[in-house]
Amino acid sequence: DVKVTQSSRYLVKRTGEKVFLECVQDMDHENMFWYRQDPGLGLRLIYFSYDVKMKEKGDIPEGYSVSREKKERFSLILESASTNQTSMYLCASSLAAARSSYEQYFGPGTRLTVT
Amino acid sequence: DAKTTQPNSMESNEEEPVHLPCNHSTISGTDYIHWYRQLPSQGPEYVIHGLTSNVNNRMASLAIAEDRKSSTLILHRATLRDAAVYYCILRDLTQGGSEKLVFGKGTKLTVNP
Repeated sequence: DVKVTQSSRYLVKRTGEKVFLECVQDMDHENMFWYRQDPGLGLRLIYFSYDVKMKEKGDIPEGYSVSREKKERFSLILESASTNQTSMYLCASSLAAARSSYEQYFGPGTRLTVT
Repeated sequence: DAKTTQPNSMESNEEEPVHLPCNHSTISGTDYIHWYRQLPSQGPEYVIHGLTSNVNNRMASLAIAEDRKSSTLILHRATLRDAAVYYCILRDLTQGGSEKLVFGKGTKLTVNP
């Protein structure tokens, strides 16, 4: 079974702090994604990566950056956390399209609260 | 991305079949129809996908209209564990960036015991 793990289920940070959310997948997937989910807005893509050291902006990248130094690990960074970044953050991974990426596999999510 | 339209919510009784509709009138010839679901307090999970023909797997069946402008996810016997938000998503796998999923609001399915 594919496993996507996220470093924390719940996280509380203060405004202005630098926040790291870590995601690890164990199935040698090329693609990794970060989404945030908010009530009434659904899931929105923040960033994705299709290879090590490669990244592309999603729909709402402002206030976030990412890092992918190893294939299995994709980090989301909030350089200076703000209260409007309080949300559920979901990581996902998938095979590259050339290898038939029909499925994205999601982690359990990290509920981040910024106070 | 072509858009999908789903009812906000549906109810079903346990052990009965459930038909979850999705309209996608602007679907293109190369768009695949994907369904994901999100159980409470979990990340989304893949359910099924198809292009033109009806599809079956262990979780559900996907019925695609002949003109492909609509589709229906069928749960043959709903259980309480099927209570979730179901998302219908179109993906053009021939296009660059097609790995991205664009989630709409989905349909919240309630299963009554």
